[in-house]
Amino acid sequence: KAGVTQTPRYLIKTRGQQVTLSCSPISGHRSVSWYQQTPGQGLQFLFEYFSETQRNKGNFPGRFSGRQFSNSRSEMNVSTLELGDSALYLCASSFPGLAGGAPYNEQFFGPGTRLTVL
Amino acid sequence: AQTVTQSQPEMSVQEAETVTLSCTYDTSESDYYLFWYKQPPSRQMILVIRQEAYKQQNATENRFSVNFQKAAKSFSLKISDSQLGDAAMYFCAYRRVETSGSRLTFGEGTQLTVNP
Repeated sequence: KAGVTQTPRYLIKTRGQQVTLSCSPISGHRSVSWYQQTPGQGLQFLFEYFSETQRNKGNFPGRFSGRQFSNSRSEMNVSTLELGDSALYLCASSFPGLAGGAPYNEQFFGPGTRLTVL
Repeated sequence: AQTVTQSQPEMSVQEAETVTLSCTYDTSESDYYLFWYKQPPSRQMILVIRQEAYKQQNATENRFSVNFQKAAKSFSLKISDSQLGDAAMYFCAYRRVETSGSRLTFGEGTQLTVNP
């Protein structure tokens, strides 16, 4: 079974631009979470999507947004990029992700997208 | 809000020796999950071991075991017979038990070096 894939793997943008990152979960997984990893702030939760709905959100400004499609693939968008947005963005998927379902769903992480903002 | 603290930014161990990584957390919940993740230079996060808070028995996965002290809110990872491939950044993580949501709260990480 293929793992979580993220595209692109590397990205260079300039301040003020916007960027879209993509995450394809493991087949059958319905929950997708996004994390930002920086040397200064560590790993921080951005948001989680399940069945095309955002069901958890971290403490990030509105410039960070996401969505999930009917095939569970997810995208995150960052508008008006700032230097501080340079980071490794990790995506994780889990199964079954059902509300009221199994109490534990292991999360599988993708390889990440390295975003550099110049 | 839950917090996770790893007080050892760096640790080193000799190959074949044993090393223990420390983690403490703060929560008002009585039931939750704790994890140790490994992130090698490839940056791929890999689950090493998990512990359910309601279980008193410490989790074990081959050479990896934990010492879970619920009252002290401590969750350390012991790596026995260390191998060169164990060299990585290790993150301790917390997750609530809830009917929806998979949000993980991570510690700052401990960089483990394995010396041959």
